[in-house]
Amino acid sequence: ETGVTQSPTHLIKTRGQQVTLRCSSQSGHNTVSWYQQALGQGPQFIFQYYREEENGRGNFPPRFSGLQFPNYSSELNVNALELDDSALYLCASKKGLNTEAFFGQGTRLTVV
Amino acid sequence: KQEVTQIPAALSVPEGENLVLNCSFTDSAIYNLQWFRQDPGKGLTSLLLIQSSQREQTSGRLNASLDKSSGRSTLYIAASQPGDSATYLCAPAPSGGYNKLIFGAGTRLAVHP
Repeated sequence: ETGVTQSPTHLIKTRGQQVTLRCSSQSGHNTVSWYQQALGQGPQFIFQYYREEENGRGNFPPRFSGLQFPNYSSELNVNALELDDSALYLCASKKGLNTEAFFGQGTRLTVV
Repeated sequence: KQEVTQIPAALSVPEGENLVLNCSFTDSAIYNLQWFRQDPGKGLTSLLLIQSSQREQTSGRLNASLDKSSGRSTLYIAASQPGDSATYLCAPAPSGGYNKLIFGAGTRLAVHP
């Protein structure tokens, strides 16, 4: 059974650009959530997808968007990058609601 | 709005000590609470999940307790080892919604030989 995998592990973007981060959920998991973790802080919830539908969103602007595919993998897209978007982006998958969440290794995004 | 506080923020102990990490949360209406470990620059590793109906969970040298009514959870680490050095995060999942996790800032633990 493979765990949650994220790609890429690191990337550097210029302010104003767009970025796509990818997440493959753990086998059998149909729920994927994305979190942003700034240095020295706990992760902040961005949004969640359940069976390809967004079913929850945190306090992030619309330039943060996502998708979930039929195989339950997911993408996080961020448009018009700002310096404050520099963070570790974490993906988590679960087998439905109210179950244990498993996280990937994260993508470190640096905006310059 | 759920707020999570973890005390202490940092802890440095000699190897072999038994440790207690504290987590408090403001809203007792939760589905469950999860404890995670995070190594520097890495993702989160799930340690224990406690459902709202449970009082405690154990895994090896780890024991987590939950007192939902008082908004508290503790993580007990027995016989600490240098390999336990990491940041420990607790995350309750509020009920009545889509089960997102709300994180504290974590406790940074250093166990020295």
